[in-house]
Amino acid sequence: KAGVTQTPRYLIKTRGQQVTLSCSPISGHRSVSWYQQTPGQGLQFLFEYFSETQRNKGNFPGRFSGRQFSNSRSEMNVSTLELGDSALYLCASSLGPYAPLTGTTEAFFGQGTRLTVV
Amino acid sequence: DAKTTQPNSMESNEEEPVHLPCNHSTISGTDYIHWYRQLPSQGPEYVIHGLTSNVNNRMASLAIAEDRKSSTLILHRATLRDAAVYYCILRDPNTGTASKLTFGTGTRLQVTL
Repeated sequence: KAGVTQTPRYLIKTRGQQVTLSCSPISGHRSVSWYQQTPGQGLQFLFEYFSETQRNKGNFPGRFSGRQFSNSRSEMNVSTLELGDSALYLCASSLGPYAPLTGTTEAFFGQGTRLTVV
Repeated sequence: DAKTTQPNSMESNEEEPVHLPCNHSTISGTDYIHWYRQLPSQGPEYVIHGLTSNVNNRMASLAIAEDRKSSTLILHRATLRDAAVYYCILRDPNTGTASKLTFGTGTRLQVTL
């Protein structure tokens, strides 16, 4: 079956602009999480959605937002881009809701969207 | 999620076993120990997980100390394709879904011929 699909793969934006990234989870998966990966900070959790509701949020400013649709596809938006937002943005999906209790132990990651802010 | 400590990097020769350690002295009774790895230019991928007993799967083995304050990921015969950053992650099943993970700095494994 198809894996987690993230679009676009690469993006270049100008400081001050906004950007929307898309994530299509594995069919049947209802949980989607987003991560930012930079050389300096490593992999950092942004937010988690399950059944269209945000369940958890990481320590990022309000410029970072997301949503999940009824078909479990998710988007994340970054407004007023800063140079420091340049990163690899990764999306992960899982069946959910609680990992070991339902046997859903794995998160499956997409290949990410490489965002460059100039 | 509780904190884990891993060496920054390790080296191995191809075809030899590799033991990747992880310390998690503040682990709680409900935390599961998960390992993920990230190959170059890829998203992380699941390797293995366990709670108390040692675990084996087609990719690796996980050895968990009796007091659960440390664990070791064992690759039985490292290949060049195993060169990656390996992350040891503690997960409380009651906080979030399987897609929510707290990554540390991981161990960069280099495999040489």
